Amino acid sequence: AQSVTQPDIHITVSEGASLELRCNYSYGATPYLFWYVQSPGQGLQLLLKYFSGDTLVQGIKGFEAEFKRSQSSFNLRKPSVHWSDAAEYFCAVQGNNDMRFGAGTRLTVKP
Amino acid sequence: DVKVTQSSRYLVKRTGEKVFLECVQDMDHENMFWYRQDPGLGLRLIYFSYDVKMKEKGDIPEGYSVSREKKERFSLILESASTNQTSMYLCASSEPGGRAGDTQYFGPGTRLTVL
Repeated sequence: AQSVTQPDIHITVSEGASLELRCNYSYGATPYLFWYVQSPGQGLQLLLKYFSGDTLVQGIKGFEAEFKRSQSSFNLRKPSVHWSDAAEYFCAVQGNNDMRFGAGTRLTVKP
Repeated sequence: DVKVTQSSRYLVKRTGEKVFLECVQDMDHENMFWYRQDPGLGLRLIYFSYDVKMKEKGDIPEGYSVSREKKERFSLILESASTNQTSMYLCASSEPGGRAGDTQYFGPGTRLTVL
């Protein structure tokens, strides 16, 4: 079965600084990969997803992620963080039908 | 826009009570899911359903059951609530077909506290 690891439990960045959230997956075949964001008290919202093709995927809110098969990674990036990006971020991998989520990375944005 | 609604945002129950969590989606999705979310553990799948009256166990089904009598509604039932079921419960639905790679759309969650 597939699995996901998000190595960073909590990250703090200054507003305007760049951001990279790490995600490593384990799956035997080509995975379907997702990044979701959860604002406080809210459900999860899809940021972006990778199925195939171009390994650099653009998402909403200025986020992008890069699929690297050799490293089994799907890291999320944003060039300039805004205070409203403070939230919890989940990476997920989907196999045949079910989806596995990472434990999440909480992002704090300093003024 | 896809809308997934959950009957309560916050719920407080006592140990031993029977608890119903309701989820409704308005996009004619065939697939529906129940997860629980706990700090440091991410989301864990409790049950899912690919069709009316159909259900499949996820990773942590013990202590839970589900009901799907209508396509748009998926209910999670705690037959006898226990304190270790205090958690955030998230419902999701996904696009028709059940194909791998279908996006799941989430409700706002129900934070359940069992005293």
